[in-house]
Amino acid sequence: RKEVEQDPGPFNVPEGATVAFNCTYSNSASQSFFWYRQDCRKEPKLLMSVYSSGNEDGRFTAQLNRASQYISLLIRDSKLSDSATYLCAVNPSGGYQKVTFGTGTKLQVIP
Amino acid sequence: GAVVSQHPSRVICKSGTSVKIECRSLDFQATTMFWYRQFPKQSLMLMATSNEGSKATYEQGVEKDKFLINHASLTLSTLTVTSAHPEDSSFYICSAKRGTGDQPQHFGDGTRLSIL
Repeated sequence: RKEVEQDPGPFNVPEGATVAFNCTYSNSASQSFFWYRQDCRKEPKLLMSVYSSGNEDGRFTAQLNRASQYISLLIRDSKLSDSATYLCAVNPSGGYQKVTFGTGTKLQVIP
Repeated sequence: GAVVSQHPSRVICKSGTSVKIECRSLDFQATTMFWYRQFPKQSLMLMATSNEGSKATYEQGVEKDKFLINHASLTLSTLTVTSAHPEDSSFYICSAKRGTGDQPQHFGDGTRLSIL
């Protein structure tokens, strides 16, 4: 089983739709979790951290389910500009250890 | 604003050339930085972890003599692709964490390397 797994997609959704991605992780001791957005031919940019209690930033909601070992990202009222690849990242134990990235889920928002 | 700066953003050079890429943390000290490579339509691949004042830790399959990493200060890590060949053409990205614990990694802008 991969350390971090994501459905590669693509998810093709109409403007205004709500879309959700999941990301599963194998290390139950993982400490911290993040969602990044990567546009084509660009570097990943931090979208949001994922907190145990769940957190929201505008149209974006991130949640953590430790029991089932997955994190999720919900995007409401999708915009064309949301089209990108969304990467989840899992930090196994904090500190300076390397973060493991998923392969990314591609989202295409259609007019 | 950007917290990690990477330079150059684009390099085109002949086969056999060595190319140096710089990664700087802009307003914080980074004991550890990370170097990734990404081929078109593929996922990020961690190449190595750069440790200030000590040797880098390379991932399996990454040649340390081919990809030289120097982390001489708390704000600068360099990656040198030695005697680059066309198969080394890729998008190279560095990242750094602002602190310990649960801080996220921040990425540089990336360097698109094309070897002719």
